[in-house]
Order: sequence, then structure tokens, then C-alpha cells
Amino acid sequence: SQQGEEDPQALSIQEGENATMNCSYKTSINNLQWYRQNSGRGLVHLILIRSNEREKHSGRLRVTLDTSKKSSSLLITASRAADTASYFCATDEGASGSRLTFGEGTQLTVNP
Amino acid sequence: ETGVTQTPRHLVMGMTNKKSLKCEQHLGHNAMYWYKQSAKKPLELMFVYNFKEQTENNSVPSRFSPECPNSSHLFLHLHTLQPEDSALYLCASRGTSGAQETQYFGPGTRLLVL
Repeated sequence: SQQGEEDPQALSIQEGENATMNCSYKTSINNLQWYRQNSGRGLVHLILIRSNEREKHSGRLRVTLDTSKKSSSLLITASRAADTASYFCATDEGASGSRLTFGEGTQLTVNP
Repeated sequence: ETGVTQTPRHLVMGMTNKKSLKCEQHLGHNAMYWYKQSAKKPLELMFVYNFKEQTENNSVPSRFSPECPNSSHLFLHLHTLQPEDSALYLCASRGTSGAQETQYFGPGTRLLVL
């Protein structure tokens, strides 16, 4: 499997529900980042969690990191139709920010 | 908007054509990146530039030729492409002072090679 592998590949929920996406990776990391991509557009940075952090919040986003299991999760609470997008985790393994390795992403659909 | 622009947004070219993709960032960053995004595949890092110097070429075929004339501009020159090169090409930039670890992406150029 690849560094930064997301699970599930696709997720469909109703507005107001919470969405949880998981990411697994293989090597030691400096930090792990989550990005969002609307269809056919560029990626937008959502949140960064460093290797010495376990949990981080930003608005309706909550990210956890378990370095012992080499995994991270992204929780979006009280989802909205506008949250429909692809979500990618990216791991920074080397010199800070110089190289990110992206996973294949989770396609989230929030139905109104 | 992220402060990173890309032109053109869409491009159709034949296998014998020569074209160029342009990326410009207005963020004062010193690192710039080219990525390729194909359907159902992870983003593939192609090239990295730091302070106008290429610091990474991720085994990209020579039909892709990057150019970074200054820290604000990045080009990807395309020549004799193959249909499998059809993809979304994304440019990104990153600051290099302090703990600037996030990358800022442009909207991408959707390339179709016929």
C-alpha cells in the first residue's frame, strides 16, 4: 500500500451528520496535513498536525494522529452540502514542507 | 483564492505540439512545485524548485521540461506528449522562512493529449 492511504475511498452522508476519514502511512513523519479538493480544482490546505501532537481542532474539523499506529483521522462535524469534495492526507517525511506524499483521497458526498 | 494562478485552465494538444503551462504565485514564496493528478491515482510530485533552483526531479520523462525564471513564476514546457499524459497539472508554492510547511495550490491546468 502507499504512504498516505485514505479510507474509505468514498463516503456518502446526510447533511448534519458527522464524516470521518482515515489515513494510514508507513514511514516516520514530521507532520501530517489534510487538504480538500473540489471537483477539478486545486487543493486547499485544511489543517496540519505535527508528529508530537495527538489532536487538533479547527472550526468543525478535528484531526487526530496516532504515530504508534501510523494513522490519522479527520472528523468533520455537522456536515453541510458545501463540504462535498475529495479529502487528501499528505505526509511530510523530510525537510519541513519540502516534499509531501499524498494519498488517493476520500470522496465525500453530503446530501442535502 | 490561494494566491497561486495557473494558465491556461484547459489545454488540448496533439502529440506533436509544443505548449507551455504557466504558474504564478503572489505570496512571496520561494519554493514551487509541479504535480500531476490522474484519475484514481494519488498526486504525483514531478518537480521541486527552491530559490529558482531545481531540487527534485521525480523521474519525469524529458518530454516535460520545467523552467523557473524567478521565485514567482514556474513553467512546464510540453513537447511530444503521449495520450497517457492527459491529466490535471497542479502548481503549488510554499514559504521557506520559519515553519512554513503548507503548500498553496493553483486551480490546475486540465490537459488533454490527442
